[in-house]
Amino acid sequence: RKEVEQDPGPFNVPEGATVAFNCTYSNSASQSFFWYRQDCRKEPKLLMSVYSSGNEDGRFTAQLNRASQYISLLIRDSKLSDSATYLCVVNDNNDMRFGAGTRLTVKP
Amino acid sequence: EAGVAQSPRYKIIEKRQSVAFWCNPISGHATLYWYQQILGQGPKLLIQFQNNGVVDDSQLPKDRFSAERLKGVDSTLKIQPAKLEDSAVYLCASSLTTGGEQYFGPGTRLTVT
Repeated sequence: RKEVEQDPGPFNVPEGATVAFNCTYSNSASQSFFWYRQDCRKEPKLLMSVYSSGNEDGRFTAQLNRASQYISLLIRDSKLSDSATYLCVVNDNNDMRFGAGTRLTVKP
Repeated sequence: EAGVAQSPRYKIIEKRQSVAFWCNPISGHATLYWYQQILGQGPKLLIQFQNNGVVDDSQLPKDRFSAERLKGVDSTLKIQPAKLEDSAVYLCASSLTTGGEQYFGPGTRLTVT
């Protein structure tokens, strides 16, 4: 089993749609979690940290489920500019493990 | 605040040649990471420094890759000799503390022919 797994997609959604991605991790002792977005041929940019209690930033909501060992990202009211690859990152004893990413395309 | 700086942005070399990449992290960030990202994959951690000490280099191919951060600020990553499979983007990132939020530089796109 891979240490950090994501559905590669692609997810093709219309503008205004709600879309959710999951990311599973193998080490139950993992300490912190993040979502990054990466545009084509650009570097990853931090989208949000994922807290145990869940957190929200505008149209984006991140949640952590330690019992089932996954994190999720929910995007509401999708915009064309949300088109990107979304990477989850798991801090595994200070070893940062990236998933392969989920590709999202938002269409007019 | 200045971001993470990397150079060069692009490099094309022939196999068996050597190449070096440079990274300057965000001022005050103690932790520095080098990642390799192959097209279609997520970044893979090569080496992590805390100040000038190595925290994790378990995935660094030490027969050909080396990295240093002598003064605990900027860092260089070297490949000698390069192989075709080293073609990738090499990303440098820094964070205030180990395991914290990371900020990435623009990367160096390496092509080995």
